[in-house]
Amino acid sequence: EPEVTQTPSHQVTQMGQEVILRCVPISNHLYFYWYRQILGQKVEFLVSFYNNEISEKSEIFDDQFSVERPDGSNFTLKIRSTKLEDSAMYFCASSMRGPFYEQYFGPGTRLTVT
Amino acid sequence: DAKTTQPNSMESNEEEPVHLPCNHSTISGTDYIHWYRQLPSQGPEYVIHGLTSNVNNRMASLAIAEDRKSSTLILHRATLRDAAVYYCILREKGIAGNQFYFGTGTSLTVIP
Repeated sequence: EPEVTQTPSHQVTQMGQEVILRCVPISNHLYFYWYRQILGQKVEFLVSFYNNEISEKSEIFDDQFSVERPDGSNFTLKIRSTKLEDSAMYFCASSMRGPFYEQYFGPGTRLTVT
Repeated sequence: DAKTTQPNSMESNEEEPVHLPCNHSTISGTDYIHWYRQLPSQGPEYVIHGLTSNVNNRMASLAIAEDRKSSTLILHRATLRDAAVYYCILREKGIAGNQFYFGTGTSLTVIP
């Protein structure tokens, strides 16, 4: 069964450093998403991406964040200058149709900012 | 904003049916009701969704009230693998439009 994959599974970085989290969505899916979950808290929507542009973003997704689909298979989330409060699990998801159809989530990347 | 209310936690015995309730009294006419679950240390997993009619799939059934202000996710025979946090989700209008709002969900414990 096709699945969303994410790398790395765990990333440790120092405050102020840039990080790139990588995702490979399911190959025939057209919509892509990033969510985050701070330890013990809710899953929070960050951004959705369709047709090579951002279609929705939350108030969390400020200028420090960016997304890209560089090569037709990968979908990346970049955090330019990490803060301690960016420490969280980051989940990538994809869906074949729009955001209100079933989304398939990856296993997540645990980001630890020290 | 369309929000949902779920019990914080529920318990079920293994191999018995589980009914997970969700209230969504402010649902709009075009909002779909989605259920996802999150097993420990994993990403959310799609379970089922529906609009007005009851829905069945290999994982669960979704019973939607006639006025659509509540719904119930039914797991017909709970297994230990069904222990997870179950989220009932509606479309949520955020600052940039529509997005999924996960909420706190119901933590289901399955007792062997």
